[in-house]
Amino acid sequence: AQSVTQPDIHITVSEGASLELRCNYSYGATPYLFWYVQSPGQGLQLLLKYFSGDTLVQGIKGFEAEFKRSQSSFNLRKPSVHWSDAAEYFCAVGPSGTYKYIFGTGTRLKVLA
Amino acid sequence: SQTIHQWPATLVQPVGSPLSLECTVEGTSNPNLYWYRQAAGRGLQLLFYSVGIGQISSEVPQNLSASRPQDRQFILSSKKLLLSDSGFYLCARSDGSSYNEQFFGPGTRLTVL
Repeated sequence: AQSVTQPDIHITVSEGASLELRCNYSYGATPYLFWYVQSPGQGLQLLLKYFSGDTLVQGIKGFEAEFKRSQSSFNLRKPSVHWSDAAEYFCAVGPSGTYKYIFGTGTRLKVLA
Repeated sequence: SQTIHQWPATLVQPVGSPLSLECTVEGTSNPNLYWYRQAAGRGLQLLFYSVGIGQISSEVPQNLSASRPQDRQFILSSKKLLLSDSGFYLCARSDGSSYNEQFFGPGTRLTVL
């Protein structure tokens, strides 16, 4: 069955520190992968996406993610976190032929001043 | 434009009352449309999706229903709300291509008392 796992429910980092949010997927075919960010009380905003080609993708707000097929992972990284990055982050895969997207349960990021 | 409008932004309803949440989208014709629910501290639960007018796929059997009376309008309804229906409801769209990302609306916060 297709699934997305975000093993870290909460992560706390200090402002200026580096960040890595983990995402593992289970998908029968070549996956289409996404990272979204959600600020409290708002909708989700796309950070970046991977369809094919270069396995290191750049997104908005200084984020990047690397697709590793051998590890079934698509981890999100940022070299230096800003206080405004505090939010919830969702990894997603799909859609499959049924037009459905599968989301992870999210990782809530807290940034310490 | 990928603008998605959701109405209302917040709603407080008593148990047993009816519900109607509206989502309207701008942009290309024949978008795929989705309703998600996000309960407190949990990820996104896909409720319904639609690939065209009058075409609704239900993901979770419950007391909610969805309709798509027009190409760019998606409505979530209930005849009798339950306490468990409380949550943050998100409307999303994707274009017809199977690998495009989803765009999300601002959400509706529903509290059932």
